[in-house]
Amino acid sequence: DADVTQTPRNRITKTGKRIMLECSQTKGHDRMYWYRQDPGLGLRLIYYSFDVKDINKGEISDGYSVSRQAQAKFSLSLESAIPNQTALYFCATSDTTGGNTEAFFGQGTRLTVV
Amino acid sequence: AQSVSQHNHHVILSEAASLELGCNYSYGGTVNLFWYVQYPGQHLQLLLKYFSGDPLVKGIKGFEAEFIKSKFSFNLRKPSVQWSDTAEYFCAVKRDSSASKIIFGSGTRLSIRP
Repeated sequence: DADVTQTPRNRITKTGKRIMLECSQTKGHDRMYWYRQDPGLGLRLIYYSFDVKDINKGEISDGYSVSRQAQAKFSLSLESAIPNQTALYFCATSDTTGGNTEAFFGQGTRLTVV
Repeated sequence: AQSVSQHNHHVILSEAASLELGCNYSYGGTVNLFWYVQYPGQHLQLLLKYFSGDPLVKGIKGFEAEFIKSKFSFNLRKPSVQWSDTAEYFCAVKRDSSASKIIFGSGTRLSIRP
């Protein structure tokens, strides 16, 4: 079983619809991140959370919201989807042990807004 | 704010050629540095990381990277590439602080001719 699980893996939705992408982890990490990947732009940080009561905006948070329901769960919502939100979305986790750890990624969610 | 630059967007090599991918970061303090690889259709996986100590770090699959603090660089190298190294490579940086997030470069697509 994957340590970081994203659902759904693929989704096609219509403009204006609300959609939620979910992420859960079994690594016991306190930090969770949402990135989007676009060709030529790499991974851009949308939101991140250092613990259940801590939510921070990343580089491109407009049009998105998040919820950290528990240490193991971090969901990303698009309140009113638009076509330029079509992208590959990745959830990641990391730990604060020693302050020096890498990110572990989920398999990604490919979202298409039509 | 910290940033990461990967100047090579697409690199094409023949098998057995040597590889060097550039990565520069902007933060002047102590940093943690990472290289990730994304094989076609897959999520990001860690190749190697630098936290402290020996600036020449070795990773999986014969990759290595050298941290040169004076140049703010962390270039990835491999002496002899294989067709299976075809992938996208991302450099990432995190300030050495418990309050810091992980920022990624725009990625370098590596294509290996058989």
